[in-house]
Amino acid sequence: NAGVTQTPKFQVLKTGQSMTLQCAQDMNHEYMSWYRQDPGMGLRLIHYSVGAGITDQGEVPNGYNVSRSTTEDFPLRLLSAAPSQTSVYFCASRLRTGAAGANVLTFGAGSRLTVL
Amino acid sequence: SQKIEQNSEALNIQEGKTATLTCNYTNYSPAYLQWYRQDPGRGPVFLLLIRENEKEKRKERLKVTFDTTLKQSLFHITASQPADSATYLCALGDTGNQFYFGTGTSLTVIP
Repeated sequence: NAGVTQTPKFQVLKTGQSMTLQCAQDMNHEYMSWYRQDPGMGLRLIHYSVGAGITDQGEVPNGYNVSRSTTEDFPLRLLSAAPSQTSVYFCASRLRTGAAGANVLTFGAGSRLTVL
Repeated sequence: SQKIEQNSEALNIQEGKTATLTCNYTNYSPAYLQWYRQDPGRGPVFLLLIRENEKEKRKERLKVTFDTTLKQSLFHITASQPADSATYLCALGDTGNQFYFGTGTSLTVIP
C-alpha cells in the first residue's frame, strides 16, 4: 500500500519558470491538500480539495494553482516561480468529513523546491 | 486569526525520563487536537487525537491532555528512548476542512 506519493523529491527552478508537483494517493481518500513548510512557520495550507472537480483556497494560495480531475491525483502548479516559494511541500489526504477516521491526515514524504 | 505555539526551544532529555511537550493556542475553539511526529526529510505521521470533550488520551507510552479552558495540550512520552528523537507537531481541527499546525518542538533523547 503506497499511501501518498509525491514527485519529484527535489527540484531547482529559476525565477519565472513553471512546474508541477505531483501527488497521488491510493487510499480512496476524498480530501486532498497541499501544505508548505518553512522554518519557524509551521505547515501552512495552500489549497485543498474535497473531491474530484472541487478545489478551494487555503491560507497561502497566491502563486499556486490546483485541479482535481480524479480522486487519486492532486497536482500543484507553480505558474511563475519566485524565490519566496522556496520551501518543502507536502501533500496530505484523508477521508471525507464525517467518515470514521476522517480527522487523520496521511502525508507524503515531501518535495523540496529551491527557486533561484 | 488563530495562533498556535509550541515549546520554542528544542527539548533535550535523558533516556528513561518523561518528555513533556506543550501546545498553546489562541483565537480558536477546536473540536479536536492532534499530535504528529516528523522525522528529518519525511512527512508528519499521526500519533494521537483528543476531542474537546476529552481530558486525557493514552496510547502505549504516549499521553495527551487537553484543557480547553487554558487552551493548552500537553504531550507526554514516558520512559523515553533515543528512537523517540524527532520533531513533534500539534494540529487543531474543527468540523470544517482546515487543520492548523504549530511550528513543532524538536525532541532529542540522550542515551
